[in-house]
Amino acid sequence: QQQVKQSPQSLIVQKGGISIINCAYENTAFDYFPWYQQFPGKGPALLIAIRPDVSEKKEGRFTISFNKSAKQFSLHIMDSQPGDSATYFCAASDDFGNEKLTFGTGTRLTIIP
Amino acid sequence: SQTIHQWPATLVQPVGSPLSLECTVEGTSNPNLYWYRQAAGRGLQLLFYSVGIGQISSEVPQNLSASRPQDRQFILSSKKLLLSDSGFYLCAWSVRRTGNTEAFFGQGTRLTVV
Repeated sequence: QQQVKQSPQSLIVQKGGISIINCAYENTAFDYFPWYQQFPGKGPALLIAIRPDVSEKKEGRFTISFNKSAKQFSLHIMDSQPGDSATYFCAASDDFGNEKLTFGTGTRLTIIP
Repeated sequence: SQTIHQWPATLVQPVGSPLSLECTVEGTSNPNLYWYRQAAGRGLQLLFYSVGIGQISSEVPQNLSASRPQDRQFILSSKKLLLSDSGFYLCAWSVRRTGNTEAFFGQGTRLTVV
């Protein structure tokens, strides 16, 4: 059962543009929503995360927007750079003791000059 | 600081052969441990997680098993590999606490079953 749906599967953005990746979840018990960044041949690493008590969180060029009523959240990368080219995963967890993360299917982002 | 070691980095195994992937965590105690598999275009699939020694929960029925013989050691095994077991296997850990759940991933093992 796919509990976190992520789109698009791949994205090409010009350098300096805004990259937007969307996720939707089904489980209303989810209360933590991180984004992970993965470079080829490496394990994913935490990029930014949000809890549902806020609608937006910004860290540098990266912003998470969260819509609790729609059960959707998105990652915005401002002024996208070639070094941002990677695969991005959204995730969610409910923190009920075991803290399992449910991941989206990933978005391969390519920033072109 | 905490580190996670996963080996080997790459592995080519024939169908029907056994498998053992090992993961160890340093610098923390009593972590939650996870095994994920990443197949192309299918994201990260949670295979097993463990909240303590000898405590293993399986997320999906499969040809694989996991064990946690020590607090900071997590092993992924198979008695007989299938072609469909090919993929990128990732070990991860998180500190067991309420609040932010950050998972720290190892570098992964690329398994090719031939």
